[in-house]
Amino acid sequence: NAGVTQTPKFRVLKTGQSMTLLCAQDMNHEYMYWYRQDPGMGLRLIHYSVGEGTTAKGEVPDGYNVSRLKKQNFLLGLESAAPSQTSVYFCASYSWRGASEQYFGPGTRLTVT
Amino acid sequence: EDQVTQSPEALRLQEGESSSLNCSYTVSGLRGLFWYRQDPGKGPEFLFTLYSAGEEKEKERLKATLTKKESFLHITAPKPEDSATYLCAVEGNEKLTFGTGTRLTIIP
Repeated sequence: NAGVTQTPKFRVLKTGQSMTLLCAQDMNHEYMYWYRQDPGMGLRLIHYSVGEGTTAKGEVPDGYNVSRLKKQNFLLGLESAAPSQTSVYFCASYSWRGASEQYFGPGTRLTVT
Repeated sequence: EDQVTQSPEALRLQEGESSSLNCSYTVSGLRGLFWYRQDPGKGPEFLFTLYSAGEEKEKERLKATLTKKESFLHITAPKPEDSATYLCAVEGNEKLTFGTGTRLTIIP
């Protein structure tokens, strides 16, 4: 049982490049989330999904898109990266059926130059 | 809008010196208050969920308590391995709002 995994772990992009971050969970959780974490600002919600095929905006959605084509996967896309998107990105999953806690992945450290 | 404020931002304690971390919150209809531990370079790790005022939960040297406006994470006789950032979050409609955390350092 791997829990929540994220790929890649590290990435450096140039301004204007695009990339996709992959989050996968093997716990059959309904809800999945993408956060970014910046010094002094805590974890901020980018987008989330309450089920396969559904997504919703969080607190800081601009510049990001997401897709949830399969229940176990949640993809975060950056179409045209900007230096302001330099951050550590965390994915989390949650099931309303079980213990009420979000399980987090190990994070992706993204630098945009 | 849900808000979470944690204090202090950083806390240095001697090994064995007990203290408390504070989490103040405003939320329209609290569904749950969460405490997480985060080590450098890793994702947050779940510690506790509290649902109603007066509730308390314990795990090893940690005890979390909840009132209508705030939560405390009490750490008793801490050890160096308790050094980490402790995050508090409140659950609103389908999502969590996090505080900025308290960075705890335990000095041997």
